[in-house]
Amino acid sequence: GAGVSQTPSNKVTEKGKYVELRCDPISGHTALYWYRQSLGQGPEFLIYFQGTGAADDSGLPNDRFFAVRPEGSVSTLKIQRTERGDSAVYLCASSSSGTGGTGELFFGEGSRLTVL
Amino acid sequence: AQSVAQPEDQVNVAEGNPLTVKCTYSVSGNPYLFWYVQYPNRGLQFLLKYITGDNLVKGSYGFEAEFNKSQTSFHLKKPSALVSDSALYFCAVRDPNIGNEKLTFGTGTRLTIIP
Repeated sequence: GAGVSQTPSNKVTEKGKYVELRCDPISGHTALYWYRQSLGQGPEFLIYFQGTGAADDSGLPNDRFFAVRPEGSVSTLKIQRTERGDSAVYLCASSSSGTGGTGELFFGEGSRLTVL
Repeated sequence: AQSVAQPEDQVNVAEGNPLTVKCTYSVSGNPYLFWYVQYPNRGLQFLLKYITGDNLVKGSYGFEAEFNKSQTSFHLKKPSALVSDSALYFCAVRDPNIGNEKLTFGTGTRLTIIP
């Protein structure tokens, strides 16, 4: 497809379980971002990749959160030992140049995570 | 630190009237500023940006925004509102002087256009 694709669109899990969320960016986009949007809030930055490397992971809330992008395309956000407070919509975005190049971000529709 | 504030949670405008959605920012130097729109069950979509140059920037769907450095504002405007403009609008800022790539978003303003 032409846009950013995120799977699953909805995920319900139990407290303490492990979750993976996948992002397939627009082909050719080197920059990839993960954001988290809680109810009634704006998107909150989690991590930024340029190519395969995490250039900025300062937004990851704690060591239960981890993200990878091994081949510089698809990225996976991994959450261990999920907590109820992790419930949110996780957004992925990609860009051809990153915001450093003033390029706008292209967002996926998000993965809604609910931790019971 | 970079931050942005959207003082209004909700804005209601009659169809055909001009609309304004407010945004103020805080950065250490000159900002990069963005507006995004979120329609129901859709991803965030880029509307427009200010990087440098003319303080009045034009974007998608007839929207424009004015960068005002003295008031640290970047209000979104449209001369004549359409019902289809009803959506959630987010202002975002990046401080290019501190070497990071992240956008900081506001809490959003829900715009409702009344037929």
